[in-house]
Order: sequence, then C-alpha cells, then structure tokens
Amino acid sequence: AQKVTQAQTEISVVEKEDVTLDCVYETRDTTYYLFWYKQPPSGELVFLIRRNSFDEQNEISGRYSWNFQKSTSSFNFTITASQVVDSAVYFCALSEGSNYQLIWGAGTKLIIKP
Amino acid sequence: SAVISQKPSRDICQRGTSLTIQCQVDSQVTMMFWYRQQPGQSLTLIATANQGSEATYESGFVIDKFPISRPNLTFSTLTVSNMSPEDSSIYLCSVEVGGSTDTQYFGPGTRLTVL
Repeated sequence: AQKVTQAQTEISVVEKEDVTLDCVYETRDTTYYLFWYKQPPSGELVFLIRRNSFDEQNEISGRYSWNFQKSTSSFNFTITASQVVDSAVYFCALSEGSNYQLIWGAGTKLIIKP
Repeated sequence: SAVISQKPSRDICQRGTSLTIQCQVDSQVTMMFWYRQQPGQSLTLIATANQGSEATYESGFVIDKFPISRPNLTFSTLTVSNMSPEDSSIYLCSVEVGGSTDTQYFGPGTRLTVL
C-alpha cells in the first residue's frame, strides 16, 4: 500500500540553523514521483520540487536541498541557514505510475525563531 | 506552471447555507482538482473535474454535498451545500500542468468558517 510518513510533527529552530525535514514513502510501483510543497500561514500551497523514481540525484536550489535515497525510501529536505520566512508547514507527497492522485504526508510544521 | 485564483479568499457562513467557490486558471488545463484541508490536517482530495464530463468524487464525498461545475478549460466551481461547522476548512483547487502525473499547482485557497 502506498503511504507517506512525515514523522516530525513540529520542528523549532533558531534562525540561521540548518534543519532537515524527513519524508519516508512506501510504494510497490517502480515508477513514481515525489514532491515537496510549502504552506505558509497564508494558506496557499507552494510547489518546491518534483523528483521521479529514476533520478536519484540530489538537488540544490539556493538554501534548499533534497536528498533522495531509494535504498531507504526517503526524500528528505534540508534548509540551510534558515530564515524566519521559512516558517511554514511542509508537505511531502507521492504519486504512482500514471495515477494523478497525490498521497500526502501529514506535514511538518517548521518554526524559525529570530 | 500556472497562475490560479480563487474566490472568495475567505468567508464566514451560517449553518444550513451554501457557498460556491470559484477557481480560475490563466491557461487551459485538462484536469482540475478540489481538495479540503481541515484545521491542522493534511489535504484530502474531494473530486477531480475534467471539462465536459461529470466530476469524479473520492470516497466519502458526494455530489449532493459538493456539486462541481467545469464549464471550460480554465474555470471550475465547487459548492459546499447545507453547511455545518464540520465543513470549516480550507478548500483548495489545483491543476495539473505538463500532462499525466506532472506537477499539481495550487490556488491560494478559500478559508471557510461555518458558524
């Protein structure tokens, strides 16, 4: 059965610290897609990244980086030198094969203190 | 990507009334989705709306409660009918851009409070 687990309900760090948000997924498909979205207090969902199952390369975008490891079924997200504006709920999601439906994790609330 | 707008951005409604939420996209898209996000929870898919066909509802959601229209490739509406306090949620529409299994982009959401 497909599933996405974000075990960290809430993380609180002081500004400029690095922080990693964990995402573990379960799927039987060999073709699947992983996503991260950010939801700031305003409520909108902002797309951050999409990764397919055949591309295990890590990705870096500014202060954001993603570590995809099929061996551990994980797709972790690291924010380097965190800022107050990074405070949000972050969701990890999975879609399988040709199925458009997203399977969502419970989300991790990230609080960055000044 | 796509630019998506929703109206209203928020509303406070009385029990037993209905609210229609609009979702407008700046480009033609085949698939549009409606989600509900209850307070402090993750997203739950309500239905998928394709132009020219009836919406497909997920388990636990029915057309009488959440009627959806999709008159063209850039617009959709979701109505929350006969509301109760349990319907208080953020309602989000999303569109899939780029073809099958590509990325879903979300509108800003409609924050609904039912008294």
